[in-house]
Amino acid sequence: GAVVSQHPSRVICKSGTSVKIECRSLDFQATTMFWYRQFPKQSLMLMATSNEGSKATYEQGVEKDKFLINHASLTLSTLTVTSAHPEDSSFYICSARDRSGGGGETQYFGPGTRLLVL
Amino acid sequence: GQSLEQPSEVTAVEGAIVQINCTYQTSGFYGLSWYQQHDGGAPTFLSYNALDGLEETGRFSSFLSRSDSYGYLLLQELQMKDSASYFCAVKYYGNNRLAFGKGNQVVVIP
Repeated sequence: GAVVSQHPSRVICKSGTSVKIECRSLDFQATTMFWYRQFPKQSLMLMATSNEGSKATYEQGVEKDKFLINHASLTLSTLTVTSAHPEDSSFYICSARDRSGGGGETQYFGPGTRLLVL
Repeated sequence: GQSLEQPSEVTAVEGAIVQINCTYQTSGFYGLSWYQQHDGGAPTFLSYNALDGLEETGRFSSFLSRSDSYGYLLLQELQMKDSASYFCAVKYYGNNRLAFGKGNQVVVIP
């Protein structure tokens, strides 16, 4: 089946620094990728929809200047958490939509990135 | 708007059957998906209902009734490895955005 990778899988950083997380579709082209955040014991919350070649669409309440998204190619989207604070510590998960998909299940999840901000 | 409600936790013995319900308040969507997530892992796709009725995939089955705004996931012949969180998710028209329910943790005991 389709594979989506994320890098890094785990990152620890100091408060105030920026962290970049990569999401790659390894064997298919993804015009659309999604970024989710999940706090412990909670559900996945969609942060933004990343569109190749255009600006990302952010969900209500998500600061676009804090969570920078770039979808420069059909296989790569990046999420940069700028000036990270301890409250940004979370599990960040991306998913990628197979370009050939229709209404069926064509969205594949990456393994997630666990961010800890000290 | 959209809202997906799921009960929070259930404990069952190996070999038992568990039904996880999902009610939603939304319209204009492709279908209802179900995902499994083990602690510390990413969600993995289990089942998808585009149409009303029952979809069977091995030990797991999923059901959707659009008229009742309701769906469920049925886990049969429970195994220890089925201990995980289970989420329903509505897939919206347009760019296939997924809105996840709150999730239901299943604990399987010997």
